[in-house]
Amino acid sequence: QKEVEQDPGPLSVPEGAIVSLNCTYSNSAFQYFMWYRQYSRKGPELLMYTYSSGNKEDGRFTAQVDKSSKYISLFIRDSQPSDSATYLCAMRYTGNQFYFGTGTSLTVIP
Amino acid sequence: DGGITQSPKYLFRKEGQNVTLSCEQNLNHDAMYWYRQDPGQGLRLIYYSQIVNDFQKGDIAEGYSVSREKKESFPLTVTSAQKNPTAFYLCASFGGGSYYGYTFGSGTRLTVV
Repeated sequence: QKEVEQDPGPLSVPEGAIVSLNCTYSNSAFQYFMWYRQYSRKGPELLMYTYSSGNKEDGRFTAQVDKSSKYISLFIRDSQPSDSATYLCAMRYTGNQFYFGTGTSLTVIP
Repeated sequence: DGGITQSPKYLFRKEGQNVTLSCEQNLNHDAMYWYRQDPGQGLRLIYYSQIVNDFQKGDIAEGYSVSREKKESFPLTVTSAQKNPTAFYLCASFGGGSYYGYTFGSGTRLTVV
């Protein structure tokens, strides 16, 4: 079983839709949770990060962590064509080793 | 501006040839990483280094080598022993503290010709 599981998609939504991206994990020791956005042929950029459980909101983006279910989510409200990218979840416990999901490809159709 | 610079952006390798990918950071981060990204397989760790003059193998180190002679630099050599080197290579660094995530470079696309 992989440490982090992520549905690869692809996911295609109309502009303005609410997008839900999810990851599950197996290691209950994970404490730091991140979402990266990667445009085609570019390096990933950090979008959101959360420590432990709870929600964090930044503009149209909301990150949720449910440690009891070992489940994290990223919600994108009022999705835009510029949100079309691959979204990677990542997590770590106390060290420097990060564990990544395989990424979900999202296309927002104008 | 602080960041990570990877070069070249595109690289072509002939059969049997060694090539070196450059990664430089000015973030004063101690830890640096090399990942390989293939479609549908996510990021796979090749090598990482926590401090200067020390590095560790990741999950797919065979056919690759690295050095860490300076804090700012972590070059990756793809040797002729790597039988399927065509991929997108990403360098990352991490500085801990209150910042939780890696900083990534813009990547190098390596193609065997």
